[in-house]
Amino acid sequence: GAGVSQTPSNKVTEKGKYVELRCDPISGHTALYWYRQSLGQGPEFLIYFQGTGAADDSGLPNDRFFAVRPEGSVSTLKIQRTERGDSAVYLCASSKRTGLVYDNEQFFGPGTRLTVL
Amino acid sequence: AQSVTQPDIHITVSEGASLELRCNYSYGATPYLFWYVQSPGQGLQLLLKYFSGDTLVQGIKGFEAEFKRSQSSFNLRKHSVHWSDAAEYFCAVGALSSISGGYNKLIFGAGTRLAVHP
Repeated sequence: GAGVSQTPSNKVTEKGKYVELRCDPISGHTALYWYRQSLGQGPEFLIYFQGTGAADDSGLPNDRFFAVRPEGSVSTLKIQRTERGDSAVYLCASSKRTGLVYDNEQFFGPGTRLTVL
Repeated sequence: AQSVTQPDIHITVSEGASLELRCNYSYGATPYLFWYVQSPGQGLQLLLKYFSGDTLVQGIKGFEAEFKRSQSSFNLRKHSVHWSDAAEYFCAVGALSSISGGYNKLIFGAGTRLAVHP
């Protein structure tokens, strides 16, 4: 079956521009997560959704970052007025349900590499 | 606050040699611990996980890890490394969400890049 997919795989933009990054989770997975991985670092939690609602957005760095999941499936991470420091790989993951319990693995997509010039 | 430290940024081993990647965590209660592998162009793949019970856990691709509470460690091991094991390895701990409650997010270490010599 299909895994988590993310589009685009690469995005180059100019400072100050607006970008949208898309995540298609595994079919039937109700929980969806966004992480950001800067060069030489491990992934850093941004936000997670249970269904359509953002259950925890405590990792979003500032109000330029926003994410939606209007129908409880596909999610879009939106970044306004991009800055060079936003350059990173943005990872999406999904799981059957929320909760880090033994049989509820988070499956990760390949990521979107964002470069802000 | 929960945190994960991977002391080794890079490790190089010869094919067929044994491997140990170190991971130390900071967490008050019994942690939920994970090891992931990331190959170029690939998503993070779960190797193994610890929730409770037996402190030696077996994972995929011949990897194992041992939870040692007294040392706050969860080191990853493999007895005989293959060239295809060259990748970046991340240790992670499950984090409690103060907003939603429950353990729903992962805190990762900075990773260890493994190179394998033939």
